[in-house]
Amino acid sequence: NAGVTQTPKFQVLKTGQSMTLQCAQDMNHNSMYWYRQDPGMGLRLIYYSASEGTTDKGEVPNGYNVSRLNKREFSLRLESAAPSQTSVYFCASRRRGGEGNQPQHFGDGTRLSIL
Amino acid sequence: DAKTTQPTSMDCAEGRAANLPCNHSTISGNEYVYWYRQIHSQGPQYIIHGLKNNETNEMASLIITEDRKSSTLILPHATLRDTAVYYCIVRPLGDYKLSFGAGTTVTVRA
Repeated sequence: NAGVTQTPKFQVLKTGQSMTLQCAQDMNHNSMYWYRQDPGMGLRLIYYSASEGTTDKGEVPNGYNVSRLNKREFSLRLESAAPSQTSVYFCASRRRGGEGNQPQHFGDGTRLSIL
Repeated sequence: DAKTTQPTSMDCAEGRAANLPCNHSTISGNEYVYWYRQIHSQGPQYIIHGLKNNETNEMASLIITEDRKSSTLILPHATLRDTAVYYCIVRPLGDYKLSFGAGTTVTVRA
């Protein structure tokens, strides 16, 4: 059981390049999330998908797009990378419903540097 | 959203219990208390959560005061691998996002 898998783990881009960060979960979770974490700061939500077929903006969506490809996969795309998007990106998933308030489970992150 | 207040850092000895406090004096009745930790270079790891009753799992115990204005995460036998930043988060039932503050940097020393 791999949990939440993110690829790639590291990436260096030049300003203006595009790339897609991949995230897949094998826990049959409904909701998926993309966060970014900058040095010395907490996580900030970029986009989330409450269920397959839906996506919504979080706190810092500008410069990003997302696709909920199916229940397992949720990708994050940078169309024209900027140095300000240098960060560590985390994907998370969560099961909806059931007793209590289900926690989010995180991948190990993609470390992205934009020169 | 209820804000949380945690100490910036704390040390504890290997093999001893680590007690991590969190204040959340403005918590609402439908808000849960979550604890996560982040070990260096890894993604946040869920530890435990609760509403008003004390909770225990294989990783830790969560003690919530009767008025729910504060809580304590207890790591019963700290190991060097428990060195991490620990985050106390308060969120309503079904809310879609987590807001991570600065957390408490816990260093377990041999």
